[in-house]
Amino acid sequence: SAVISQKPSRDICQRGTSLTIQCQVDSQVTMMFWYRQQPGQSLTLIATANQGSEATYESGFVIDKFPISRPNLTFSTLTVSNMSPEDSSIYLCSVGERYEKLFFGSGTQLSVL
Amino acid sequence: KQEVTQIPAALSVPEGENLVLNCSFTDSAIYNLQWFRQDPGKGLTSLLLIQSSQREQTSGRLNASLDKSSGRSTLYIAASQPGDSATYLCAVPNAGGTSYGKLTFGQGTILTVHP
Repeated sequence: SAVISQKPSRDICQRGTSLTIQCQVDSQVTMMFWYRQQPGQSLTLIATANQGSEATYESGFVIDKFPISRPNLTFSTLTVSNMSPEDSSIYLCSVGERYEKLFFGSGTQLSVL
Repeated sequence: KQEVTQIPAALSVPEGENLVLNCSFTDSAIYNLQWFRQDPGKGLTSLLLIQSSQREQTSGRLNASLDKSSGRSTLYIAASQPGDSATYLCAVPNAGGTSYGKLTFGQGTILTVHP
């Protein structure tokens, strides 16, 4: 199983600012996935990050709002840009191989005032 | 479009009880199903993964079954303990999706085990 470290664990931000969330994995992985969990809701995939190429975004999510970096096979960042209260959520990174378990980080709980 | 439903939405039981959480999905063309546990404000912990060719998986006091043809899975927790209190989520990969990491999650069952 993969050990995933996510930073920060929580933050309170002002409207209009940006926050970058870091995800570090203890082993090399092909794909990393970023999810969002809005209050009282289940998880929704934001994008898939593949090392060496642009991230692939799901319907309803755009690169300008959620830019992603994937500089190597163990690290990725997700930025939440120009935040509004509607961005208050738990953001989670995950890793896994096709047909196998998907593992999740401990999450970043974001509150936007 | 795949939809995942979990019943019940919430469950409160006394310590020591055996309990069953239910998960149903609309598109049976899945290659696996995964059960997770989530503590409040935290990330997800993977509990069990059942491949589509399997009928059940066991880990300690947990047993998950899968009936792919009927679109159902159950998570059985034996001899429940207060430490089992959490939200339990089931999830299936999106059939035909562009990313194998795209899971469709149920809304979860909030379990409370009281001493």
